[in-house]
Amino acid sequence: EIVLTQSPGTLSLSPGERATLSCRASQSVDTTYFAWYQQTPGQSPRLLIYGTSSRATGIPDRFSGSGSGTDFTLTVSRLEPEDFAVYYCQQYASPVLSFGGGTKVEIK
Amino acid sequence: EVQLLESGGGLVQPGGSLRLSCAASGFIFSNYAMTWVRQAPGQGLEWVAAIKGTAGNTYYADSVKGRFTISRDNSKSTLYLQMNSLRAEDTALYFCAKDPISTWAGYFDYWGQGSLVIVSS
Repeated sequence: EIVLTQSPGTLSLSPGERATLSCRASQSVDTTYFAWYQQTPGQSPRLLIYGTSSRATGIPDRFSGSGSGTDFTLTVSRLEPEDFAVYYCQQYASPVLSFGGGTKVEIK
Repeated sequence: EVQLLESGGGLVQPGGSLRLSCAASGFIFSNYAMTWVRQAPGQGLEWVAAIKGTAGNTYYADSVKGRFTISRDNSKSTLYLQMNSLRAEDTALYFCAKDPISTWAGYFDYWGQGSLVIVSS
């Protein structure tokens, strides 16, 4: 199983600031098979990014994904109030899928 | 509009069984792979099981293999998760989620609101 480790656990930022979230895989993952989700309290997850850098339908362009090998990054260029949430990375390179433990982006 | 509506959750004793259902609408259900993902209280996401659209191939997390069975009824646009030999650590909110393709991409473009399963004596 590919283990995904997200850092930091919590990110305290102000609206308008840039958020950089990291996800490290225990083994190399093809960029085709990497996704990011956002989850706000009481809601189900929402797909943000798939294939490392492709935005899902309706996702604003302030969200971007990058990375390769074992290191992947989600960047939110300018945080809006609705962006304060928990973010999860996911790999789907193997039949056994896995998620990271999550990064909470909170208002400073 | 894509909608996924889970049902069947509840309180069950350790060792018991429960069957979850996920009623789908707004898309051609048989054309897409489907999956179950769970989230323990206050915890992160854990993939549970997946099933392809037409071929019906199934995949399971090691933590549930041999105890849980994923299935689908394309005529009813419904996904199921039969859970047997339940343990306390199976307590979670269970989401059904839609894959963007039939043969299984492995990521999920739509999610239901979840069905809560509590395993406790």
